[in-house]
Amino acid sequence: EAQVTQNPRYLITVTGKKLTVTCSQNMNHEYMSWYRQDPGLGLRQIYYSMNVEVTDKGDVPEGYKVSRKEKRNFPLILESPSPNQTSLYFCASSSRNQPQHFGDGTRLSIL
Amino acid sequence: AQTVTQSQPEMSVQEAETVTLSCTYDTSESDYYLFWYKQPPSRQMILVIRQEAYKQQNATENRFSVNFQKAAKSFSLKISDSQLGDAAMYFCAYRSRLSQKLVFGQGTRLTINP
Repeated sequence: EAQVTQNPRYLITVTGKKLTVTCSQNMNHEYMSWYRQDPGLGLRQIYYSMNVEVTDKGDVPEGYKVSRKEKRNFPLILESPSPNQTSLYFCASSSRNQPQHFGDGTRLSIL
Repeated sequence: AQTVTQSQPEMSVQEAETVTLSCTYDTSESDYYLFWYKQPPSRQMILVIRQEAYKQQNATENRFSVNFQKAAKSFSLKISDSQLGDAAMYFCAYRSRLSQKLVFGQGTRLTINP
């Protein structure tokens, strides 16, 4: 089954404790992206990757890092999380000119 | 930069009735895609319908159809014969043909009254 898998689905943690949200896709897609969803703001792009070892900032990259060492994986790293990063996060992937497939979302709470 | 605006934070409709969700966007490009996504309480992002800007014909998917007005930069979603399972948050989104990045509106929460 074609899918984008995010882990964890839920996480409650404390300010400053490094965390990683993993994202994996099994469709051999070149393009992968991270979005955050906040009430009244819709989804906003954090980072994206056009292919292995090619990443770039989206609209709200501050406080986040990503890497793309393998085509299927695109982890989102919060080196020093802060409460304003409490949000719902989505990973998405696609091939060129095709609609994006979304993961099921990760609810992060930073206390 | 492109922007997408959904001016209706909440909408409600009686079951079996028709409802229209509004979306406007701003872009200087002529070639792009527009989408409507549905997000039920499960949080999944489900693609409802897609429109390519160069196509004049409005897209239709079963009970879902769009009214695409390119000159007015308007892209509304019509849901006919509303069902309880249509209750969700609906997002309008824009994508340039030159990019894979989606630009989303703020969302409209749709309630279906039995």
